[in-house]
Amino acid sequence: NAGVTQTPKFRILKIGQSMTLQCAQDMNHNYMYWYRQDPGMGLKLIYYSVGAGITDKGEVPNGYNVSRSTTEDFPLRLELAAPSQTSVYFCASSSQIYSGANVLTFGAGSRLTVL
Amino acid sequence: AQSVTQLGSHVSVSEGALVLLRCNYSSSVPPYLFWYVQYPNQGLQLLLKYTTGATLVKGINGFEAEFKKSETSFHLTKPSAHMSDAAEYFCAVLGGNEKLTFGTGTRLTIIP
Repeated sequence: NAGVTQTPKFRILKIGQSMTLQCAQDMNHNYMYWYRQDPGMGLKLIYYSVGAGITDKGEVPNGYNVSRSTTEDFPLRLELAAPSQTSVYFCASSSQIYSGANVLTFGAGSRLTVL
Repeated sequence: AQSVTQLGSHVSVSEGALVLLRCNYSSSVPPYLFWYVQYPNQGLQLLLKYTTGATLVKGINGFEAEFKKSETSFHLTKPSAHMSDAAEYFCAVLGGNEKLTFGTGTRLTIIP
């Protein structure tokens, strides 16, 4: 089925380790987003991309990096993991963000724990 | 800048009762407004959206919301709650940039 695929679903990291959360979509969407979800805080935007080769910071970008070399993939890299990065991460994509048909399609999430 | 405020982080209603989840927004341009639902251990799914036109929008599972510009509100309602409606609900606004801003969410509990 078409959609947004995130891997891994679960991961435990030690403080200071690095890792990459993978996100791929097969809907040819230009817009892609990374959010983190913490209890009682809703979803906070980490980074987003409006097309291949273009990325920009969201509300909470510190400690993260992204790249967008293809339309399909939008990996999120955590450098020097910290306990504050324990969260559930969601990747999402959309086509024409301002059109009446716009909707974000979300992945199933990646639960990350930093100990 | 844009923002969303959801009043009430937890709402409990009896099965068959009216569901009302409140959302107020702030936007410097005419907004696009959304309600998303998240079931346990899943990603978010779109319930309904307002872009332009009719201010009362109907979504899936019997939910609807009304855009009231004068009150800067976009409250979500359902006439009769069902046990399967138990979930977390997020209001979101798209207000002139490419970024969707979410509220902090409201957890809906249905009492049998």
